[in-house]
Amino acid sequence: AQKVTQAQTEISVVEKEDVTLDCVYETRDTTYYLFWYKQPPSGELVFLIRRNSFDEQNEISGRYSWNFQKSTSSFNFTITASQVVDSAVYFCALSEAVTTDSWGKLQFGAGTQVVVTP
Amino acid sequence: SAVISQKPSRDICQRGTSLTIQCQVDSQVTMMFWYRQQPGQSLTLIATANQGSEATYESGFVIDKFPISRPNLTFSTLTVSNMSPEDSSIYLCSVAGTGKRSSYEQYFGPGTRLTVT
Repeated sequence: AQKVTQAQTEISVVEKEDVTLDCVYETRDTTYYLFWYKQPPSGELVFLIRRNSFDEQNEISGRYSWNFQKSTSSFNFTITASQVVDSAVYFCALSEAVTTDSWGKLQFGAGTQVVVTP
Repeated sequence: SAVISQKPSRDICQRGTSLTIQCQVDSQVTMMFWYRQQPGQSLTLIATANQGSEATYESGFVIDKFPISRPNLTFSTLTVSNMSPEDSSIYLCSVAGTGKRSSYEQYFGPGTRLTVT
């Protein structure tokens, strides 16, 4: 069975500080996909990134960066120089190997509330 | 990415009644899903909406309570039947497999915020 753990319930930072969100996952599959989503107070779920299990390259997109380490089953997310608009709940999610029955089904972590104050 | 709309965006319903939520996508998609997000909680998959056949439900969710239709590749409905206050949640439609090539990105609709009194 798959499981996603986001141990941090809430992180509070002052604007311009960096914030790192932890995500640890469990799966028996060798092929899987990891996602990060942002849910601002308005409630919509915004797709941020997808990472394949066979691609361990870290990625940077603007102020966002992701560190994927299969050895520790972790897919951590860092926001650099945080801004008030980054205040949201961030979810890490896992999708296991593609089969007829399981393609696209996401297992979400509990989410981490990020609060950025001016 | 696909553009997904949901109707209604929110509703307040009385217990014992039913509500049907619609999900419309602006392009054909392979997979459509329905998730529930209870207040202050994470998202839980209710079911996979299968085009032209019965939906595939996750453990803890049954067709009598959450009937789902998917008549084509761009539209699906979720009905919350015989509602109780415990059904108060955000219900989200999501899609995967957009465009001509298979895509593993999964996009979400804006959600339907349901309150049952």
